[in-house]
Amino acid sequence: EVYLEEFGGGLVQPGGSLRLSCAASGFTVSSNYMSWVRQAPGKGLEWVSVIYPGGSMFHTDSVKGRFTVSRDNSKNTLYLQMNSLKVEDTAVYYCARDTIIAGSDYWGQGALVTVSS
Amino acid sequence: EIVLTQSPATLSVSPGERATLSCRASQSLSSNLAWYQQKPGQAPRLLIYGASTRATGIPARFSGSGSGTEFTLTISSLQSEDFAVYYCQQYDNWPLFGQGTKLDIK
Repeated sequence: EVYLEEFGGGLVQPGGSLRLSCAASGFTVSSNYMSWVRQAPGKGLEWVSVIYPGGSMFHTDSVKGRFTVSRDNSKNTLYLQMNSLKVEDTAVYYCARDTIIAGSDYWGQGALVTVSS
Repeated sequence: EIVLTQSPATLSVSPGERATLSCRASQSLSSNLAWYQQKPGQAPRLLIYGASTRATGIPARFSGSGSGTEFTLTISSLQSEDFAVYYCQQYDNWPLFGQGTKLDIK
């Protein structure tokens, strides 16, 4: 059974850093497109980052240079390193498995990141 | 840059009635269009992919249609558990979401 679980959310001050983890089971992270999607309080879904099976990474413009997506194949885990955090980065962050045919077919339960002084 | 516009922002429908949700793209898309349902405090759930294919376990009352720039999600007979927020998403490149339609009980 496919399962995704995020870890590492919490409260951080503006300018601080946080790393989110997404532990996967039931499939191999490195063989799939994996995304991070966030949702600010009361708002809609916003794609943040993706890592391709080949290792290419892409980020939305608002986080370029600050966020980095990566993975650890030995742990079958996806990461999102978030630096220089801003108040507007406050959101629930979801990891999701992306497919070419069927969009984002599995999602984690989300991790809340709050950026506040 | 592609923009997905969902309408209406809020739709009030009575249980048992049909709901029709729209997603319009600023430029023509392939069939890589998906629909998601999200309930409060939960992650999104994939309903429809490829514009019209139901995901595993999704009831037949959910159907998707459309092509080019106009796509529709139809829920044929609303059940109480269907009242939620619905998002469309294009996945030609990296994912892009519409702003959502909230389906309310009338």
